Amino acid sequence: GENVEQHPSTLSVQEGDSAVIKCTYSDSASNYFPWYKQELGKGPQLIIDIRSNVGEKKDQRIAVTLNKTAKHFSLHITETQPEDSAVYFCAAGTVFNKFYFGSGTKLNVKP
Amino acid sequence: GAVVSQHPSRVICKSGTSVKIECRSLDFQATTMFWYRQFPKKSLMLMATSNEGSKATYEQGVEKDKFLINHASLTLSTLTVTSAHPEDSSFYICSARGTGYQETQYFGPGTRLLVL
Repeated sequence: GENVEQHPSTLSVQEGDSAVIKCTYSDSASNYFPWYKQELGKGPQLIIDIRSNVGEKKDQRIAVTLNKTAKHFSLHITETQPEDSAVYFCAAGTVFNKFYFGSGTKLNVKP
Repeated sequence: GAVVSQHPSRVICKSGTSVKIECRSLDFQATTMFWYRQFPKKSLMLMATSNEGSKATYEQGVEKDKFLINHASLTLSTLTVTSAHPEDSSFYICSARGTGYQETQYFGPGTRLLVL
């Protein structure tokens, strides 16, 4: 089955700096890669996703890149703000199938 | 759009009792719903996948007689933890996927279960 690895497990940045979280996957059949943000005591929220036919996608301060050959994808957050502090999960999956989640990254943005 | 609710948000019960958790898609029809369990500071562990009108598919190691899942309509799925024990205490989260959102799962806010 699919195996998704996520790094780092914790990330601390100064407000205004950029944050990068990286994930790798093992199953070349995976073609959909969402990223979720989870705040303490709440359910995960979809923040951005990318499909395998696209190499990069951007939404304001958030961007995701995908390298299908190397089987890795990354989340980039620019101009970080304290409210970006949360746990971020990457996932990999296929159409109509289940997702495999990474282990999570706790992002701390220091004011 | 794509709002998923869960009820209750938290529940405390005595050991041996059963607890039902509801998951509803509020503004879309969810052909597929997923149930996850999350331990503190850990990732989401998929328990089962349910499609409307059919039996749920459970992940390896998940007791289907203990965690009863019903997906009776396109907007409602329920998870019943039967004969709950303290080790069942956890954060249970559902997600839903509809025909208009073929690949994306939208998550509910989660239910905190504490079994005494």
